[in-house]
Amino acid sequence: AQTVTQSQPEMSVQEAETVTLSCTYDTSESNYYLFWYKQPPSRQMILVIRQEAYKQQNATENRFSVNFQKAAKSFSLKISDSQLGDTAMYFCAFMIPFSSSGSARQLTFGSGTQLTVLP
Amino acid sequence: DAGITQSPRHKVTETGTPVTLRCHQTENHRYMYWYRQDPGHGLRLIHYSYGVKDTDKGEVSDGYSVSRSKTEDFLLTLESATSSQTSVYFCAISESRSIYEQYFGPGTRLTVT
Repeated sequence: AQTVTQSQPEMSVQEAETVTLSCTYDTSESNYYLFWYKQPPSRQMILVIRQEAYKQQNATENRFSVNFQKAAKSFSLKISDSQLGDTAMYFCAFMIPFSSSGSARQLTFGSGTQLTVLP
Repeated sequence: DAGITQSPRHKVTETGTPVTLRCHQTENHRYMYWYRQDPGHGLRLIHYSYGVKDTDKGEVSDGYSVSRSKTEDFLLTLESATSSQTSVYFCAISESRSIYEQYFGPGTRLTVT
């Protein structure tokens, strides 16, 4: 079974600064996907960024980028130029695209990191 | 935004009563999922569907059943609600063999008293 660990329950950052959220995972699979989702106070789950395990290049989406270390099973999210609207719970998630055990395409989530951006 | 709606958005019910939550999509996506969100646990998969009438269990399926008679609708039923099923329930959809992102509905807050 796959597990995802987010060891920082809460973090804060000053507006316009950079913050990094940590995520580690455990799997014996070699082909998988990793995601970061954002959940603002509205409760809506919003996809932030995706990383394919077979790609060595780290994914980026505007102010959001990841540091994917496959050997260390680490997948951190960096938010640059933090904005007040970035205040949210952030979830790291893991997925196996294909599996003979029936667990394909199921997201396994970490417990989340509450990020607060301070003015 | 993906066209996903959930109904009801809020519900309070009593222990032992049946409850059905509905997820409706307008994207014609093949895969649909039900998750529950509880403090300290993130989201956990209850059941999922990979096509009409094709469903399977997730990590926390005990006490829940699902049905999918049409592509656009995925129903989650609590046959006899218990207080441990008080939670926020999210529906998600995904499509295509090469795109694995899941898009989430707005959630349903269920309270079992």
